[in-house]
Amino acid sequence: AQRVTQPEKLLSVFKGAPVELKCNYSYSGSPELFWYVQYSRQRLQLLLRHISRESIKGFTADLNKGETSFHLKKPFAQEEDSAMYYCALSGGSNYKLTFGKGTLLTVNP
Amino acid sequence: DVKVTQSSRYLVKRTGEKVFLECVQDMDHENMFWYRQDPGLGLRLIYFSYDVKMKEKGDIPEGYSVSREKKERFSLILESASTNQTSMYLCASSSGGGKRGELFFGEGSRLTVL
Repeated sequence: AQRVTQPEKLLSVFKGAPVELKCNYSYSGSPELFWYVQYSRQRLQLLLRHISRESIKGFTADLNKGETSFHLKKPFAQEEDSAMYYCALSGGSNYKLTFGKGTLLTVNP
Repeated sequence: DVKVTQSSRYLVKRTGEKVFLECVQDMDHENMFWYRQDPGLGLRLIYFSYDVKMKEKGDIPEGYSVSREKKERFSLILESASTNQTSMYLCASSSGGGKRGELFFGEGSRLTVL
């Protein structure tokens, strides 16, 4: 079975502060991990995937297999980063994507 | 601009009614998915399809069925709607191979069952 845990339902930071959204996963094989984002009144969209190892909108995420984590980080949060963030896992040969329950990030001015 | 289009943005139905939610994608994707999104519960997979006429149950298939007669269209059916099916329903599609896990979502269909 595959499971994704996002321990924080809500996260509030001030503009310019660092932000870290936590994600832990459970999967016996070799997973692919993703972060999806949903801005207010917009459709859910892919933010980044671990195999790309790229920075999108200043966000990065590193897969830590030892800790089974895939935390999303940004050194200086912006107000436009306020959104719902979902961590997701794809494992095995099927195309099923399992999502966490999401973290609502609010960046205050 | 690639698109996943859900035919109904808002629906209000009565308990026991049959409900059809339609989804069309224009990206020639093999895989299509139906999720429901509820506050505090995140996204939960109802059904997915990796080919025409093929379907697989997700995590919460009870009370739902699906149909995929054409590659571009994936329908979610509630045979007899109940109040606990009031939710936001999201359709998504993806291509295969190295792009699996990169889902393109529709805008969602908010269903209220009275």
